[in-house]
Amino acid sequence: ETGVTQSPTHLIKTRGQQVTLRCSSQSGHNTVSWYQQALGQGPQFIFQYYREEENGRGNFPPRFSGLQFPNYSSELNVNALELDDSALYLCASSLETSGSYETQYFGPGTRLLVL
Amino acid sequence: EDQVTQSPEALRLQEGESSSLNCSYTVSGLRGLFWYRQDPGKGPEFLFTLYSAGEEKEKERLKATLTKKESFLHITAPKPEDSATYLCAVQGTGGFKTIFGAGTRLFVKA
Repeated sequence: ETGVTQSPTHLIKTRGQQVTLRCSSQSGHNTVSWYQQALGQGPQFIFQYYREEENGRGNFPPRFSGLQFPNYSSELNVNALELDDSALYLCASSLETSGSYETQYFGPGTRLLVL
Repeated sequence: EDQVTQSPEALRLQEGESSSLNCSYTVSGLRGLFWYRQDPGKGPEFLFTLYSAGEEKEKERLKATLTKKESFLHITAPKPEDSATYLCAVQGTGGFKTIFGAGTRLFVKA
């Protein structure tokens, strides 16, 4: 069974640039959630994708957007990067079936530094 | 609004000194409460899911319990390798948003 993978592991960008982070979900999972974790804080929910559609969003501006592909992999796109976007970005996958919730399993994260 | 508060922020133990971590939560209908372990610079590692008050789960030196307002993670005879940040999270029946606490940083000294 393949776990959740993320790429790249580290990334350095400058303010105003755009970034795309990628996630491959765990085998058999159909739902992907993205989180932002600042240093010393718990993960903050960005959004969740199920069947290629966004079905839940946290308190993040529209410049944070995402995609889910037919193979359930996902991308997180952030436009107009700000210094405060520097954080560990985590992807988590789970299996949703008819409203039944299963545990989320996390990837290793992508460390983004905005200069 | 759903909320999770963890205490203490940090806990220093001697090897073998048992203790408990607390997670207080407010949620409009609990769908699940989750405990994760996170090592520095890595993604959270799943430990337990609890669904209803009175439920308990164990794994090695860890035991998680749940009431209607809080959850405890009991650590029995900890070892230095148990040093990590322990995260608590909840998901309510009102949606798919999972709310995490800030975590408890556990340090176990040999």
